[in-house]
Amino acid sequence: TQLLEQSPQFLSIQEGENLTVYCNSSSVFSSLQWYRQEPGEGPVLLVTVVTGGEVKKLKRLTFQFGDARKDSSLHITAAQPGDTGLYLCASRKAAGNKLTFGGGTRVLVKP
Amino acid sequence: NAGVTQTPKFRVLKTGQSMTLLCAQDMNHEYMYWYRQDPGMGLRLIHYSVGEGTTAKGEVPDGYNVSRLKKQNFLLGLESAAPSQTSVYFCASSAAGGSYEQYFGPGTRLTVT
Repeated sequence: TQLLEQSPQFLSIQEGENLTVYCNSSSVFSSLQWYRQEPGEGPVLLVTVVTGGEVKKLKRLTFQFGDARKDSSLHITAAQPGDTGLYLCASRKAAGNKLTFGGGTRVLVKP
Repeated sequence: NAGVTQTPKFRVLKTGQSMTLLCAQDMNHEYMYWYRQDPGMGLRLIHYSVGEGTTAKGEVPDGYNVSRLKKQNFLLGLESAAPSQTSVYFCASSAAGGSYEQYFGPGTRLTVT
Protein backbone atom coordinates (compact mmCIF):
# COMPACT_ATOMS: atom_id res chain seq x y z
CA THR A 1 0.00 0.00 0.00
CA GLN A 2 1.35 3.39 -0.98
CA LEU A 3 1.41 5.72 2.02
CA LEU A 4 1.04 9.45 1.55
CA GLU A 5 2.23 11.84 4.21
CA GLN A 6 0.92 15.37 4.28
CA SER A 7 2.47 18.22 6.20
CA PRO A 8 1.75 20.21 8.16
CA GLN A 9 -1.36 18.68 9.70
CA PHE A 10 -2.74 22.10 10.58
CA LEU A 11 -1.98 25.62 9.40
CA SER A 12 -3.49 28.87 10.65
CA ILE A 13 -2.65 32.10 8.85
CA GLN A 14 -3.95 35.63 8.38
CA GLU A 15 -5.73 36.73 5.22
CA GLY A 16 -3.20 37.91 2.63
CA GLU A 17 -0.37 35.61 3.73
CA ASN A 18 1.07 32.83 1.58
CA LEU A 19 1.15 29.15 2.50
CA THR A 20 2.53 25.88 1.20
CA VAL A 21 1.40 22.35 2.02
CA TYR A 22 3.23 19.18 1.11
CA CYS A 23 2.46 15.61 0.08
CA ASN A 24 5.23 12.99 0.16
CA SER A 25 5.63 9.28 -0.46
CA SER A 26 8.45 6.74 -0.61
CA SER A 27 6.90 5.34 -3.82
CA VAL A 28 6.55 6.83 -7.27
CA PHE A 29 3.13 8.21 -8.15
CA SER A 30 1.46 7.42 -11.44
CA SER A 31 -0.56 10.57 -11.00
CA LEU A 32 -1.52 12.79 -8.10
CA GLN A 33 -4.68 14.68 -7.34
CA TRP A 34 -5.39 17.50 -4.89
CA TYR A 35 -8.84 17.83 -3.36
CA ARG A 36 -10.33 20.48 -1.07
CA GLN A 37 -12.97 19.58 1.47
CA GLU A 38 -15.09 22.18 3.22
CA PRO A 39 -16.82 21.45 6.53
CA GLY A 40 -19.87 19.23 6.15
CA GLU A 41 -19.18 18.45 2.50
CA GLY A 42 -17.36 15.89 0.42
CA PRO A 43 -13.97 16.56 -1.20
CA VAL A 44 -13.87 18.37 -4.54
CA LEU A 45 -11.08 17.90 -7.07
CA LEU A 46 -8.78 20.89 -7.59
CA VAL A 47 -6.17 19.48 -9.97
CA THR A 48 -4.52 16.35 -11.37
CA VAL A 49 -0.78 16.28 -12.06
CA VAL A 50 0.78 13.54 -14.14
CA THR A 51 4.23 14.50 -15.40
CA GLY A 52 7.33 14.83 -13.19
CA GLY A 53 8.23 18.50 -12.74
CA GLU A 54 4.78 19.61 -13.84
CA VAL A 55 3.44 22.91 -12.51
CA LYS A 56 -0.23 23.83 -12.73
CA LYS A 57 -1.86 27.07 -11.69
CA LEU A 58 -5.45 27.59 -10.66
CA LYS A 59 -5.95 31.29 -9.91
CA ARG A 60 -3.99 31.84 -6.67
CA LEU A 61 -3.17 28.14 -6.24
CA THR A 62 0.03 26.65 -7.68
CA PHE A 63 0.53 22.89 -7.75
CA GLN A 64 3.91 21.29 -8.34
CA PHE A 65 4.76 17.65 -8.99
CA GLY A 66 8.29 16.64 -8.00
CA ASP A 67 10.74 15.60 -10.70
CA ALA A 68 10.92 12.08 -9.25
CA ARG A 69 7.12 11.94 -8.91
CA LYS A 70 7.34 11.10 -5.22
CA ASP A 71 6.22 14.44 -3.84
CA SER A 72 3.93 17.35 -4.56
CA SER A 73 3.22 20.76 -3.13
CA LEU A 74 0.35 23.19 -3.11
CA HIS A 75 1.12 26.89 -2.72
CA ILE A 76 -1.57 29.49 -2.08
CA THR A 77 -0.74 33.13 -2.70
CA ALA A 78 -2.51 35.86 -0.76
CA ALA A 79 -4.80 33.43 1.05
CA GLN A 80 -8.44 34.40 1.60
CA PRO A 81 -10.96 33.10 4.16
CA GLY A 82 -12.62 31.18 1.32
CA ASP A 83 -9.47 29.04 1.06
CA THR A 84 -10.22 27.58 4.50
CA GLY A 85 -10.69 23.83 4.34
CA LEU A 86 -9.06 20.42 4.44
CA TYR A 87 -6.61 19.85 1.59
CA LEU A 88 -6.14 16.22 0.61
CA CYS A 89 -3.69 14.69 -1.81
CA ALA A 90 -4.48 11.37 -3.46
CA SER A 91 -2.38 9.09 -5.62
CA ARG A 92 -3.35 6.51 -8.19
CA LYS A 93 -1.46 3.37 -9.11
CA ALA A 94 -0.49 2.88 -12.74
CA ALA A 95 -3.22 0.33 -13.32
CA GLY A 96 -6.62 0.83 -11.77
CA ASN A 97 -8.99 3.46 -10.60
CA LYS A 98 -8.44 3.33 -6.84
CA LEU A 99 -7.01 6.32 -5.03
CA THR A 100 -4.94 6.39 -1.85
CA PHE A 101 -5.47 9.54 0.22
CA GLY A 102 -3.10 11.34 2.54
CA GLY A 103 -4.19 12.40 6.02
CA GLY A 104 -4.85 15.97 4.91
CA THR A 105 -3.76 19.46 5.92
CA ARG A 106 -6.36 21.57 7.65
CA VAL A 107 -5.99 25.24 6.63
CA LEU A 108 -7.61 28.11 8.49
CA VAL A 109 -7.40 31.58 6.98
CA LYS A 110 -8.44 34.26 9.43
CA PRO A 111 -9.88 37.55 8.17
CA ASN B 1 -28.03 17.08 -11.97
CA ALA B 2 -27.88 16.02 -8.34
CA GLY B 3 -24.46 14.37 -8.75
CA VAL B 4 -23.86 11.98 -5.85
CA THR B 5 -26.43 11.80 -3.08
CA GLN B 6 -26.29 9.91 0.21
CA THR B 7 -28.97 8.96 2.69
CA PRO B 8 -29.27 9.35 5.58
CA LYS B 9 -27.18 12.41 6.53
CA PHE B 10 -26.97 11.47 10.21
CA ARG B 11 -27.61 8.32 12.18
CA VAL B 12 -27.10 7.09 15.72
CA LEU B 13 -26.98 3.34 16.30
CA LYS B 14 -26.58 1.18 19.34
CA THR B 15 -23.91 -1.50 19.37
CA GLY B 16 -25.15 -4.58 17.54
CA GLN B 17 -27.78 -2.82 15.43
CA SER B 18 -27.69 -2.97 11.65
CA MET B 19 -28.24 -0.36 8.99
CA THR B 20 -27.78 0.35 5.29
CA LEU B 21 -26.37 3.53 3.77
CA LEU B 22 -27.59 4.38 0.30
CA CYS B 23 -25.56 6.12 -2.39
CA ALA B 24 -26.99 7.21 -5.72
CA GLN B 25 -25.32 8.89 -8.70
CA ASP B 26 -26.88 10.31 -11.85
CA MET B 27 -23.71 10.70 -13.94
CA ASN B 28 -23.78 7.19 -15.45
CA HIS B 29 -20.41 6.44 -13.82
CA GLU B 30 -19.03 2.91 -13.95
CA TYR B 31 -17.05 3.08 -10.72
CA MET B 32 -18.38 3.69 -7.24
CA TYR B 33 -16.64 3.74 -3.86
CA TRP B 34 -17.32 3.83 -0.14
CA TYR B 35 -14.84 5.58 2.18
CA ARG B 36 -14.72 6.34 5.85
CA GLN B 37 -13.10 9.48 7.20
CA ASP B 38 -11.66 9.70 10.70
CA PRO B 39 -9.77 12.65 12.20
CA GLY B 40 -6.19 12.89 10.90
CA MET B 41 -6.52 9.78 8.73
CA GLY B 42 -7.83 11.18 5.48
CA LEU B 43 -10.16 8.89 3.54
CA ARG B 44 -9.85 5.12 3.73
CA LEU B 45 -11.43 2.91 1.09
CA ILE B 46 -13.91 0.36 2.45
CA HIS B 47 -15.28 -1.30 -0.70
CA TYR B 48 -15.60 -0.33 -4.32
CA SER B 49 -17.33 -1.42 -7.51
CA VAL B 50 -16.17 -1.32 -11.11
CA GLY B 51 -19.61 -2.00 -12.54
CA GLU B 52 -23.12 -3.21 -11.92
CA GLY B 53 -23.13 -6.52 -10.10
CA THR B 54 -19.45 -6.40 -9.11
CA THR B 55 -17.84 -5.38 -5.82
CA ALA B 56 -14.35 -5.62 -4.33
CA LYS B 57 -12.68 -5.05 -0.96
CA GLY B 58 -10.75 -1.93 -0.22
CA GLU B 59 -8.34 -1.08 2.56
CA VAL B 60 -10.70 -1.49 5.56
CA PRO B 61 -13.55 -3.88 4.57
CA ASP B 62 -14.08 -5.78 7.83
CA GLY B 63 -17.54 -5.31 9.35
CA TYR B 64 -19.05 -3.94 6.13
CA ASN B 65 -20.84 -5.40 3.13
CA VAL B 66 -21.85 -3.78 -0.14
CA SER B 67 -24.11 -4.39 -3.10
CA ARG B 68 -24.41 -2.84 -6.54
CA LEU B 69 -27.59 -4.22 -8.05
CA LYS B 70 -28.15 -1.16 -10.21
CA LYS B 71 -25.49 0.93 -11.92
CA GLN B 72 -26.61 4.13 -10.23
CA ASN B 73 -26.82 2.77 -6.67
CA PHE B 74 -24.20 1.49 -4.25
CA LEU B 75 -25.30 0.27 -0.82
CA LEU B 76 -23.11 -0.05 2.27
CA GLY B 77 -24.34 -2.33 5.04
CA LEU B 78 -23.32 -2.70 8.65
CA GLU B 79 -24.65 -6.01 9.98
CA SER B 80 -23.67 -5.54 13.63
CA ALA B 81 -22.48 -2.03 14.37
CA ALA B 82 -19.53 -1.45 16.71
CA PRO B 83 -18.30 1.80 18.32
CA SER B 84 -15.17 1.56 16.13
CA GLN B 85 -17.44 2.18 13.15
CA THR B 86 -18.30 5.66 14.39
CA SER B 87 -17.14 7.81 11.50
CA VAL B 88 -18.17 9.95 8.56
CA TYR B 89 -18.90 7.85 5.49
CA PHE B 90 -18.48 9.17 1.97
CA CYS B 91 -19.62 7.68 -1.28
CA ALA B 92 -17.91 8.62 -4.54
CA SER B 93 -18.19 7.77 -8.21
CA SER B 94 -15.95 8.13 -11.24
CA ALA B 95 -16.00 7.49 -14.95
CA ALA B 96 -13.84 4.76 -16.41
CA GLY B 97 -10.54 6.21 -17.63
CA GLY B 98 -9.94 9.89 -18.25
CA SER B 99 -8.67 11.87 -15.27
CA TYR B 100 -10.09 9.39 -12.74
CA GLU B 101 -11.67 12.33 -10.94
CA GLN B 102 -13.87 11.11 -8.13
CA TYR B 103 -17.12 12.91 -7.34
CA PHE B 104 -18.13 12.73 -3.70
CA GLY B 105 -21.43 12.83 -1.90
CA PRO B 106 -22.03 15.05 1.16
CA GLY B 107 -21.34 12.28 3.65
CA THR B 108 -23.21 10.39 6.38
CA ARG B 109 -22.23 10.98 9.99
CA LEU B 110 -22.69 7.75 11.94
CA THR B 111 -22.35 7.41 15.68
CA VAL B 112 -22.41 4.00 17.33
CA THR B 113 -22.95 4.04 21.09
